[in-house]
Amino acid sequence: GNSVTQMEGPVTLSEEAFLTINCTYTATGYPSLFWYVQYPGEGLQLLLKATKADDKGSNKGFEATYRKETTSFHLEKGSVQVSDSAVYFCALIAGNGNKLVFGAGTILRVKS
Amino acid sequence: NAGVMQNPRHLVRRRGQEARLRCSPMKGHSHVYWYRQLPEEGLKFMVYLQKENIIDESGMPKERFSAEFPKEGPSILRIQQVVRGDSAAYFCASSPGTVNQPQHFGDGTRLSIL
Repeated sequence: GNSVTQMEGPVTLSEEAFLTINCTYTATGYPSLFWYVQYPGEGLQLLLKATKADDKGSNKGFEATYRKETTSFHLEKGSVQVSDSAVYFCALIAGNGNKLVFGAGTILRVKS
Repeated sequence: NAGVMQNPRHLVRRRGQEARLRCSPMKGHSHVYWYRQLPEEGLKFMVYLQKENIIDESGMPKERFSAEFPKEGPSILRIQQVVRGDSAAYFCASSPGTVNQPQHFGDGTRLSIL
């Protein structure tokens, strides 16, 4: 079946540190890949997406590259801010489907 | 604000009561999805609906849970005879409908069962 595996958190960083959150997937066909962010008490916001191999999604300084050979979609940011503290979810939609399959989420805490 | 609107934000029910969760999709979106987030877990798909049709309910528990998206009005997720294990955050998302379009989420309904 389709599944997403994320690195376990929480991840605690100092402001301006480099961030990597690992995400790997298993899927039939060629999935579309997404990163969503959830701030406390709120719903999920789409952070970035990539729909085919070697695509790079980017937004607000975050980037992730769709790597078909390693079935990965790692999230990176060069310099995190306190305001980036949230839960980050990697997700996929497989083939011609419509439902999102989520990883368990990674809590990010950024300290000033 | 034309975002996905869910209400109520918080809902408290006693065991055995019914819970009704409402979702109004973004303007122009005809596809609605419901997801459940249990404490300390990721979101799990429950059901996918278009206007007046259930397209995929593979994630819905077989008993006590139902969903609808009528021609007029919001989508409703209904849980009958609630139990403690139904306590969770329930999120609705909507999309324009074409394959692989991003889904936009509401702020969720946090259901607590006493």
